[in-house]
Amino acid sequence: EPEVTQTPSHQVTQMGQEVILRCVPISNHLYFYWYRQILGQKVEFLVSFYNNEISEKSEIFDDQFSVERPDGSNFTLKIRSTKLEDSAMYFCASTTGISEDQPQHFGDGTRLSIL
Amino acid sequence: SQQGEEDPQALSIQEGENATMNCSYKTSINNLQWYRQNSGRGLVHLILIRSNEREKHSGRLRVTLDTSKKSSSLLITASRAADTASYFCATAPYGNNRLAFGKGNQVVVIP
Repeated sequence: EPEVTQTPSHQVTQMGQEVILRCVPISNHLYFYWYRQILGQKVEFLVSFYNNEISEKSEIFDDQFSVERPDGSNFTLKIRSTKLEDSAMYFCASTTGISEDQPQHFGDGTRLSIL
Repeated sequence: SQQGEEDPQALSIQEGENATMNCSYKTSINNLQWYRQNSGRGLVHLILIRSNEREKHSGRLRVTLDTSKKSSSLLITASRAADTASYFCATAPYGNNRLAFGKGNQVVVIP
């Protein structure tokens, strides 16, 4: 069964450094998402992406965050200047289409640790 | 903003027993979804119930939705050790796929 893959599985970064988290969505999917889960808290929506542009973003997704689909397969989340509070699990997800009834397929996540 | 929100539970049951967990939310929704998360893994979609549906089955899963009470329940029948995981409900508003997750229910099935 096709999977969403995320790399790396664990990223350790010094505060203030830039970090790029990578995702390869399922190949025929058109909508892409990033979520994060701070330890012990809810999974939170960050951003959705369709047709090479952001569809929607949450209050968390400020100017420090950006997303990109640099080629036909990768979908990246960049944090420009990391803060301690950015430490979390980051999940990428994808869906086939626009309908709200499409289940989202998640990767196994990247654990981001900011020191 | 939308909010899926369970009554957080840690459930420990014997294999073969049924596990029930609940979810409440605050605003109008298009659908409600349940996901499972095994330790250290991503979220796996289990079942989706639309706002005009009251009950849905999928294998050993049964989900109910009461839009008047803004609540849902997930029942896992004849539980197995492999069902040990965290279970999250997530609501989807009309017009987009932005999911709002609850805090999760941790279920431990003892063999």
